[in-house]
Amino acid sequence: DGGITQSPKYLFRKEGQNVTLSCEQNLNHDAMYWYRQDPGQGLRLIYYSQIVNDFQKGDIAEGYSVSREKKESFPLTVTSAQKNPTAFYLCASSIVYGPEYEQYFGPGTRLTVT
Amino acid sequence: QQPVQSPQAVILREGEDAVINCSSSKALYSVHWYRQKHGEAPVFLMILLKGGEQKGHEKISASFNEKKQQSSLYLTASQLSYSGTYFCGTEGYGQNFVFGPGTRLSVLP
Repeated sequence: DGGITQSPKYLFRKEGQNVTLSCEQNLNHDAMYWYRQDPGQGLRLIYYSQIVNDFQKGDIAEGYSVSREKKESFPLTVTSAQKNPTAFYLCASSIVYGPEYEQYFGPGTRLTVT
Repeated sequence: QQPVQSPQAVILREGEDAVINCSSSKALYSVHWYRQKHGEAPVFLMILLKGGEQKGHEKISASFNEKKQQSSLYLTASQLSYSGTYFCGTEGYGQNFVFGPGTRLSVLP
């Protein structure tokens, strides 16, 4: 079955530690995205990547880093520089084929930093 | 600039219709619509790319008025499964994609 995998579902870390969230897709989608969602709010774009070895900052990239070494994988590192890292992190991928557009989200990782 | 969604919340009885609006102060070239159920990831519903474009599947459809910089999502003959928070996402010229704050829809039996 094709889809997006994010692991783990829940993650707990101490303040000051870097943590890497994984995102893998087997949909053969070109573009991948990382979003952050805080309780009762919409999603905010952290980083996105249209092709391998290239990525762009979203609106809230400070304190985060990404890599895109393979088409299938787009890991997100939450660094100790991120002031309020506790949030629900969602990875997504998308593809345009002809006039159609398709986008899927992974199940998300809930990160708690204390 | 985050788009504005209205209403913030709506309660319906099964079978009733609803309209959710999304408007932006910036010129747009695409609008996306999503539904998110509590505790789950959002699900992409549709994208509208052209001014005046209308799209839909089953009883959920949307329109995009490029001149007015707004889009509307239409839910007809609502079902219990339509409950959730609906987000629009907009992309403008020279801007990153940005989500609206969401509209919470509750469908009661």
